[in-house]
Amino acid sequence: GAGVSQSPSNKVTEKGKDVELRCDPISGHTALYWYRQSLGQGLEFLIYFQGNSAPDKSGLPSDRFSAERTGGSVSTLTIQRTQQEDSAVYLCASSLDRGGREQFFGPGTRLTVL
Amino acid sequence: ILNVEQSPQSLHVQEGDSTNFTCSFPSSNFYALHWYRWETAKSPEALFVMTLNGDEKKKGRISATLNTKEGYSYLYIKGSQPEDSATYLCAFMTRGSTLGRLYFGRGTQLTVWP
Repeated sequence: GAGVSQSPSNKVTEKGKDVELRCDPISGHTALYWYRQSLGQGLEFLIYFQGNSAPDKSGLPSDRFSAERTGGSVSTLTIQRTQQEDSAVYLCASSLDRGGREQFFGPGTRLTVL
Repeated sequence: ILNVEQSPQSLHVQEGDSTNFTCSFPSSNFYALHWYRWETAKSPEALFVMTLNGDEKKKGRISATLNTKEGYSYLYIKGSQPEDSATYLCAFMTRGSTLGRLYFGRGTQLTVWP
């Protein structure tokens, strides 16, 4: 079946603009995760959704970052008033549940803030 | 923030060499330890999910061991091939309120020369 898809694959934006990144998880996966990798850094957890439970937002770096997951499927990560330090590869992953099962990653969105 | 350490940071080996990497993690509240392979221009791909102390997993020429009491895992590659060149990530999951959240190390970048 189809894997995790993300769009756009690349996004170049100007400082101060808002951006939306989209993730389409594997059908039937109840857990969805967002990570980012900044230059020279490891994968950093941002947020995860598990079914209808309240999302764990503890990794979001500032209140400019928000995410939603509609209908338990597609998720959108929104970054408002982008800053240069937001430049990174944003990865989405999904898994059957949050209980330690392997996560399936999408190809990522490379965000560049000029 | 829980610290996951991986060593070495990078490794260059000749085709046919065997190699191993280390992942260190906090031993308290252990739930699961994941290994992923991340090839350039591709998505991270799960290799192993390990949950029990003493677990040993194998996939082809790649194997992994887990010691939850002392907080480390080893990944072994036997007879390295150029296609094994990738960044190998380990990630740790704890019990409790953060269940589901993976804490990643920075990875070991392996280059296998033909």
